[in-house]
Amino acid sequence: QKEVEQDPGPLSVPEGAIVSLNCTYSNSAFQYFMWYRQYSRKGPELLMYTYSSGNKEDGRFTAQVDKSSKYISLFIRDSQPSDSATYLCAADRGSTLGRLYFGRGTQLTVWP
Amino acid sequence: DTGVSQDPRHKITKRGQNVTFRCDPISEHNRLYWYRQTLGQGPEFLTYFQNEAQLEKSRLLSDRFSAERPKGSFSTLEIQRTEQGDSAMYLCASSLRGRETQYFGPGTRLLVL
Repeated sequence: QKEVEQDPGPLSVPEGAIVSLNCTYSNSAFQYFMWYRQYSRKGPELLMYTYSSGNKEDGRFTAQVDKSSKYISLFIRDSQPSDSATYLCAADRGSTLGRLYFGRGTQLTVWP
Repeated sequence: DTGVSQDPRHKITKRGQNVTFRCDPISEHNRLYWYRQTLGQGPEFLTYFQNEAQLEKSRLLSDRFSAERPKGSFSTLEIQRTEQGDSAMYLCASSLRGRETQYFGPGTRLLVL
């Protein structure tokens, strides 16, 4: 079992829809949680970063972490065709340890 | 552009050849990471450096792989005797110690024929 699980989709929604992307994780030591966006054949781009449980909002994007259920979510409001990409969730155990653990990514298409 | 840069962006090689990739991190970042990503999968950790010290290596990093970061600046990743299974996107990321946010470069796409 991978330490971070993510449904690969694909997910296809109309422009303006609310998108919900989700991941689960198994390691209780994870403290930091990130969402990256990756366009085809490009490197991942950091979207959101949260520490421990709670919500964080940035424009149309809201990241949510529930450590009690080991659940990570990203919500996109008023989705746009330019949001079409693969969304990767990632987790980290803390600053003394290096690696990020990624889910496999969810491919999202927003059609006009 | 002050982001992470990688060179080359694409590399096609024949099985058995050696290849070397370069990564230049964001200038003040003292941590540098290498990941590998295959089609339909998320990036998988290979190794990371804090300054010039290599602090962690994944078991994915077989003895054909070697990474260096001389003087704690740019890093190189060398793959010796390439195999078709090495075909992947090789990603470099950097961060500042004490901050968990890693910033990725555009990647080097390797195809082994």
